[in-house]
Amino acid sequence: EDQVTQSPEALRLQEGESSSLNCSYTVSGLRGLFWYRQDPGKGPEFLFTLYSAGEEKEKERLKATLTKKESFLHITAPKPEDSATYLCAVDRARDSNYQLIWGAGTKLIIKP
Amino acid sequence: KAGVTQTPRYLIKTRGQQVTLSCSPISGHRSVSWYQQTPGQGLQFLFEYFSETQRNKGNFPGRFSGRQFSNSRSEMNVSTLELGDSALYLCASSPRRQEVLAGTQYFGPGTRLLVL
Repeated sequence: EDQVTQSPEALRLQEGESSSLNCSYTVSGLRGLFWYRQDPGKGPEFLFTLYSAGEEKEKERLKATLTKKESFLHITAPKPEDSATYLCAVDRARDSNYQLIWGAGTKLIIKP
Repeated sequence: KAGVTQTPRYLIKTRGQQVTLSCSPISGHRSVSWYQQTPGQGLQFLFEYFSETQRNKGNFPGRFSGRQFSNSRSEMNVSTLELGDSALYLCASSPRRQEVLAGTQYFGPGTRLLVL
């Protein structure tokens, strides 16, 4: 069964304490893996798309990497404003349509 | 540029009723997708509209339907509401389908529906 699992469910860090969030997936065919950030009371905000193993994308303090079975979202020297729920989703489609499978998310709390 | 707007933001209905939710995409965006978000199931894709045509559909029963108008605004309808339909319903827009396939979607704040 196609599945996307995120870990940990929640992560509390001190400001400046770097860490990584994990998104592991089991799908029959991966077309793309997406990372989003969701703040309370808001819709998800797009961060990155990764297409193939070995690919990396960076944005400010965030860096996303992809292997054949999982993706990591590395957060370097986080600030309180990085606190949010981080979601990953996988597109398993092979044709012009898409079928996104979403993970449950990791709630990240950065304490000042 | 104004973001994606959804109305209403909050809604309370009773079982058996029907509900219509509205989404206005970012100006110039022609693709609109709908998602359901619940604590237990997370985010689940409902359907996608582009140029007034449904292009893609998730695994939801026929009680869930939608449409898109010529100005790209979209509505979602749920008939015969069930308790399990309580959720945050999110709308997302993109300029073209290519951006949707690349994950570049702009989400609205959602409509929180409570079914009693």
